[in-house]
Parts: sequence; C-alpha cells; structure tokens
Amino acid sequence: AQSVTQLDSQVPVFEEAPVELRCNYSSSVSVYLFWYVQYPNQGLQLLLKYLSGSTLVKGINGFEAEFNKSQTSFHLRKPSVHISDTAEYFCAVRYNDMRFGAGTRLTVKP
Amino acid sequence: EAGVTQFPSHSVIEKGQTVTLRCDPISGHDNLYWYRRVMGKEIKFLLHFVKESKQDESGMPNNRFLAERTGGTYSTLKVQPAELEDSGVYFCASSEDRRYGYTFGSGTRLTVV
Repeated sequence: AQSVTQLDSQVPVFEEAPVELRCNYSSSVSVYLFWYVQYPNQGLQLLLKYLSGSTLVKGINGFEAEFNKSQTSFHLRKPSVHISDTAEYFCAVRYNDMRFGAGTRLTVKP
Repeated sequence: EAGVTQFPSHSVIEKGQTVTLRCDPISGHDNLYWYRRVMGKEIKFLLHFVKESKQDESGMPNNRFLAERTGGTYSTLKVQPAELEDSGVYFCASSEDRRYGYTFGSGTRLTVV
C-alpha cells in the first residue's frame, strides 16, 4: 500500500532563508511523485512532479525536489524564500490514484 | 483553457439537510476525481470517474455520499443527510492522462452545523 509522510506540520522561516520540506513515501512499486501548493483561499496548484529520469526536478517559483529511491524520499527545497511563499505544501504519490501527505504549513516571516 | 470549476465555493447547511456539490472538469479530461480534507488532516481520496463510469469509489465514507457524472462531463457529489463530521473542503480534480499530475479546482468548503 502507498502512504506519504510529511515530517513537519509547520515550518517557520525568515525571508531569504533556505527551506526544506520533507516527504517520505512507502510503496512496493514504482510511483510518480508530486508536490502541490495551496495558497490561502485557493485550490491546489502543481509545483513539480517526478515521473522518471533525472532525480532532481525543478518546478515553478524557484522550488526543486530530489527523488531519492534508496531513502524513499522526495524533499522539496528552495534556496531563498519570499513572503509570498507562505502557503501549505502537500507531497503526493501516485500509483493507481493520488495519495497525499498531511501537509506542511510554511510561514515566511519578514 | 478553463480550469476545473467547483461550486459553490462555500456551503453552510444544518445537520440532516442535503447538499450537492458540482465539479466541471477541464474539457476533454476523461478522468475526474473527488477528494476531501477534513479538519486540517490529509487530503483523502473519495472516488475516481473515467468518463461516466466509476473506476474506483473505495474512498467514499458511507452510503450518505452519492457521486454521479452525467454523460462523462460534469460531476455532482451529493451528501444526504449531512452529518457534522462531513464538514471539510471537497476538492475535485481532472486529468487527461492518469500518469501525470491532476488539475485541481478551488474546492468547496462545506460546513455542517
């Protein structure tokens, strides 16, 4: 069975600091991996996805994620965050259907 | 192209009443999904349509929930009768190819009082 664990429910950081949002998954088969973002009062927006190929995936808004098969992880990173990055971020794994983690609320402080 | 549209955006109903949520997927997307997020917990899968057929409804919580997709276009999710624990945000998503990411709507925030 697939499952997704987001290790941090809340991550507060200061503006221009780097950030890493952690995601681990469990699956006995190959899966596709995604990060979604939900800004306040909006729907879910796809940040990036890993389907195959290069393990370093670049997405929108300067975010990137690295697929690590041996550690079954897909951590999201950004070298320098902005106030506008304040949102909730969801890691998801897809095999038959999409399964989501519980979300990480990123708060960027000035 | 137009995105996935959901309405209403918010709904407040009393326990025991009926509510119907609607989702209009992106035109041409055969796959349509319903998800729910309750009380800040994880987003949980409810069901998956391929065109007008239910491909997987394993996530539907109980028989108070009924989903339909008329003619393989828009979909409705009816809750009858609503209970307090049904409160949450209901998301709809569609995709052209199941291998890729889904496009989500903005969600319907349902509050049962």
